[in-house]
Amino acid sequence: SQTIHQWPATLVQPVGSPLSLECTVEGTSNPNLYWYRQAAGRGLQLLFYSVGIGQISSEVPQNLSASRPQDRQFILSSKKLLLSDSGFYLCAWSVPPLGASDTQYFGPGTRLTVL
Amino acid sequence: AQSVTQLDSHVSVSEGTPVLLRCNYSSSYSPSLFWYVQHPNKGLQLLLKYTSAATLVKGINGFEAEFKKSETSFHLTKPSAHMSDAAEYFCVVRIYSSASKIIFGSGTRLSIRP
Repeated sequence: SQTIHQWPATLVQPVGSPLSLECTVEGTSNPNLYWYRQAAGRGLQLLFYSVGIGQISSEVPQNLSASRPQDRQFILSSKKLLLSDSGFYLCAWSVPPLGASDTQYFGPGTRLTVL
Repeated sequence: AQSVTQLDSHVSVSEGTPVLLRCNYSSSYSPSLFWYVQHPNKGLQLLLKYTSAATLVKGINGFEAEFKKSETSFHLTKPSAHMSDAAEYFCVVRIYSSASKIIFGSGTRLSIRP
């Protein structure tokens, strides 16, 4: 069966510090991968998605970046965090090919607080 | 433009009574529609999805939703609420072939009174 992991589960970082959140998927090959951010009291915002190694599509201009160094690894990064980067970050995967009926399977999330 | 509107930010019902969570969408294309549930500090779990087959969709935990094109609605219902249903619920619209067209509603928090 497929599982998706995210770490760390919680993170408190000062403004201006770097960020690296990791997501890995087990039990499937070449998944579509997604990063979302959920701000307090709001819905989810798609940040990045990837259909393959090294292929990243950005949905929202911001100081975050994403990378996919391996087939089942998706990393969210920042060189300098802003206060507005605080939120709940969710990684998700879906079965390729990309399509409207894809079911997305979500990881447990990372709670990021920037102080 | 595509959009999703969840009409109620908070719904409170008594245990054993029906649940209705409302969702309206706007789309220029034939969308796929999803309902996800999120328990506190957890990831999202798929409840059900509509992908142009039967308009009445049955999901997990006794939930179902009906796609009504004329009303552009996809409301989530359950005949009898259980305490474990207390969570945040998200309606999602997705447009064919473009991952960038994934739009989440702002969520509805469901509270269950004993």
